Amino acid sequence: EDQVTQSPEALRLQEGESSSLNCSYTVSGLRGLFWYRQDPGKGPEFLFTLYSAGEEKEKERLKATLTKKESFLHITAPKPEDSATYLCAGYSGAGSYQLTFGKGTKLSVIP
Amino acid sequence: GAVVSQHPSWVICKSGTSVKIECRSLDFQATTMFWYRQFPKQSLMLMATSNEGSKATYEQGVEKDKFLINHASLTLSTLTVTSAHPEDSSFYICSAPNRQGPYNEQFFGPGTRLTVL
Repeated sequence: EDQVTQSPEALRLQEGESSSLNCSYTVSGLRGLFWYRQDPGKGPEFLFTLYSAGEEKEKERLKATLTKKESFLHITAPKPEDSATYLCAGYSGAGSYQLTFGKGTKLSVIP
Repeated sequence: GAVVSQHPSWVICKSGTSVKIECRSLDFQATTMFWYRQFPKQSLMLMATSNEGSKATYEQGVEKDKFLINHASLTLSTLTVTSAHPEDSSFYICSAPNRQGPYNEQFFGPGTRLTVL
């Protein structure tokens, strides 16, 4: 059974304090690893797709990396507006477009 | 990125009534859409896959007679919660993969907050 596990469940950072969120996965034949940001009361917002081990993608203060077993979302010098829940999802591409989601990491950045 | 809309954004109804939620892909065609439910402080739970031109497929434990799905066109899927009860109160979100994109990324709608009194 495909599984995606995110850690920590919650993370509080001071503004400017860099850190990383972890997403470990056991998805058979992983075709893609997705990162989303979700604000309270809103749908997830697409951030990144990673396809192969060693791949990295960046967007502003965020950088996502992928290994054969896990992915990291690095947040450099975060700001309060980066506060949100970050979701990781695996895609096996096995005949459907279904994503297997982790439970998310709730990030709070304190001014 | 591709845009997915949902309507309504929130709805309050009495117990026993039916509620319809629309999900539209605004700038791309989607032969497949997904419906999720999210309870407070929990992650998204896939309810069903909506397929244009064929029946929806439901996840284990989801009552297909209670959650009716109709994929009316290449840009519209609807979820009808029939005879809603308070335990159906939740945040319902749809998504659609953009097949025209290089990576089949799924784009999510803004969600619909359903409150059943």
